[in-house]
Amino acid sequence: DAMVIQNPRYQVTQFGKPVTLSCSQTLNHNVMYWYQQKSSQAPKLLFHYYDKDFNNEADTPDNFQSRRPNTSFCFLDIRSPGLGDAAMYLCATSITGPHQPQHFGDGTRLSIL
Amino acid sequence: QKEVEQNSGPLSVPEGAIASLNCTYSDRGSQSFFWYRQYSGKSPELIMFIYSNGDKEDGRFTAQLNKASQYVSLLIRDSQPSDSATYLCAVNQGGKLIFGQGTELSVKP
Repeated sequence: DAMVIQNPRYQVTQFGKPVTLSCSQTLNHNVMYWYQQKSSQAPKLLFHYYDKDFNNEADTPDNFQSRRPNTSFCFLDIRSPGLGDAAMYLCATSITGPHQPQHFGDGTRLSIL
Repeated sequence: QKEVEQNSGPLSVPEGAIASLNCTYSDRGSQSFFWYRQYSGKSPELIMFIYSNGDKEDGRFTAQLNKASQYVSLLIRDSQPSDSATYLCAVNQGGKLIFGQGTELSVKP
């Protein structure tokens, strides 16, 4: 089945130690998104790619970076994780268009020690 | 003012009843509207989407949209305990999804 796959499902890192989360998709969607979701809060968009065009949200901390080497893969890099970065990180994909839904992966739960 | 508002709940309904979930949005230019279901510790799962005024039905789920009132709702008929989850309303604004805080639904056997 076509899907959005996130690895790992659970990630534990130390305060200040860089971490990379990955997302792959077999849907051949041109748009990929990264969200951060904390407990009992709405998903918060960090950035997204239209094909190779990177779009950063104004309030996304500089600590968060992203790479999209090809259509299928997208990475979220957190350069120096702080305790406040502990959250669920969600990857989603869609096709360009106003009525196109976003399809989410299972998420990566990040814990900071 | 929040862009997408939902009652946080919890909304508790007995098994077999109709659950009604509501959402209002502030941007009149919004073109499409989505309902996602999220179980605790899991990722959002698309339930319904709607972009024309009126009702859209899919099985036990009905989405209702009223653009004049900037209001979208989700009805769940014959509610089951397995429907217990947080329901997120999302509005497409300029190609981005703006999410509400979610309504927690609890269906009691």
